[in-house]
Amino acid sequence: QSALTQPASVSGSPGQSITISCTGTSSDVGGYTYVSWYQQHPGKAPKLMIYDVSQRPSGVSNRFSGSRSGNTASLTISGLQAEDEADYYCTSYTSSITWLFGGGTKLTVL
Amino acid sequence: EVQLVESGGGLVQPGRSLRLSCAASGFTFDDYAMHWVRQVPGKGLEWVSGISWNSGTLGYADSVKGRFTISRDNAKDSLYLQMNGLRPEDTALYYCAKASGTTLRGAYADWGQGTLVTVSS
Repeated sequence: QSALTQPASVSGSPGQSITISCTGTSSDVGGYTYVSWYQQHPGKAPKLMIYDVSQRPSGVSNRFSGSRSGNTASLTISGLQAEDEADYYCTSYTSSITWLFGGGTKLTVL
Repeated sequence: EVQLVESGGGLVQPGRSLRLSCAASGFTFDDYAMHWVRQVPGKGLEWVSGISWNSGTLGYADSVKGRFTISRDNAKDSLYLQMNGLRPEDTALYYCAKASGTTLRGAYADWGQGTLVTVSS
């Protein structure tokens, strides 16, 4: 199984919005609502930011939102802040009873 | 507060075995599925294996199938990963993660800090 496809890097200025895409297939992203997004700062464990495509865990800022169209899921961060600078990973449950991660996207806040 | 503490990592020669453990606290362990996720330092995340709340459903990445075995002991609030036939490409930081529900379908709501496995001669 191939990893989900994410852009290697994105950037934005404070206050702007950015979107990170995550492309899979109908056997994973497009076939299940079990798509989630994780934020990882250097040297830290990942943190769940979005689950079930668009749900936000308690305590996660409403500046983070998720969506999906076909086989592509997206994470949007609005009102960018310096603390948002991190690596972001998408992941999806698959028809093989496994999980696939994306390759990760490095977000730089300019 | 959810706590997940991994242990058992270390330096091991190719072809040898290692058993990782994850001690859980702060939640009702047998109410949740659990996973192992690994990360080569400086690289991305890779799901390794998952186990449902009652061990009824197990899942493995193709890269470890047939070599790794996941298990849990609900009486001891512990998760395990038996790794046999280790290869240099298995070198990574191994995270224990708690799912958001009883099945393998839930997102990874909580993570440990990881235990480093290095496979080298």
